[in-house]
Amino acid sequence: QAQLVQSGAEVRKPGASVKVSCRASGYSFTSYDIHWVRQATGQGPEWMGWVNPSSGGTGYAQRFQGRVTMTRNISISTAYMELSSLTSEDTAVYYCARVSIVAGDWFDPWGLGTPVTVSP
Amino acid sequence: DIQMTQSPSSVSASVGDRVIITCRASQDISNWLAWYQQKPGKAPKLLIYSASSLQSGVPSRFSGSGSGTDFTLTISSLQPEDFAVYFCQQASSFPLTFGGGTKVEIK
Repeated sequence: QAQLVQSGAEVRKPGASVKVSCRASGYSFTSYDIHWVRQATGQGPEWMGWVNPSSGGTGYAQRFQGRVTMTRNISISTAYMELSSLTSEDTAVYYCARVSIVAGDWFDPWGLGTPVTVSP
Repeated sequence: DIQMTQSPSSVSASVGDRVIITCRASQDISNWLAWYQQKPGKAPKLLIYSASSLQSGVPSRFSGSGSGTDFTLTISSLQPEDFAVYFCQQASSFPLTFGGGTKVEIK
């Protein structure tokens, strides 16, 4: 079955960058967009953007424009999300999620999440 | 951006109860709505898409309804494994947005 495996927890200082990976298995990696969603403790999820693994095309939420980069490596079926100029407000769990096989931008499956902590 | 407002923010219920959660969109999203269940320390799980379509493998006690701006998620007979947080998400336009969540707690 389709599965997304994310990289491990990260700790960064303010102003630094972080790059999270998401390795896909169990399906054709280039057939479905990968989205990134983050969730701060006790908050609802926040959508960040998407990458099309086939074309490399991307789309980002306005609030992350200029600070986020989403890429992919087809040869290893892996998507990446890099976020720069980190502040404490970026402390959250970052999820990758594949769009569902049914039409529409809803997500199934999700990765298990990568905790990112930004602290001096 | 489309704002998604859920109510209530939390609900206490007993096993066997019927639970109804509502989600309101700030503008017409037709039926471009999904519902997710999230348990502590886990990723969200897709339950309902297109407002009323049950995701494969999800128990039939879960159902969704609504269109336009007002939507509901109904759990017909609450089971012990259903105690969790539930989120709605609109897929009508970018940026995709989620509701703030409804926590279903044991009474």
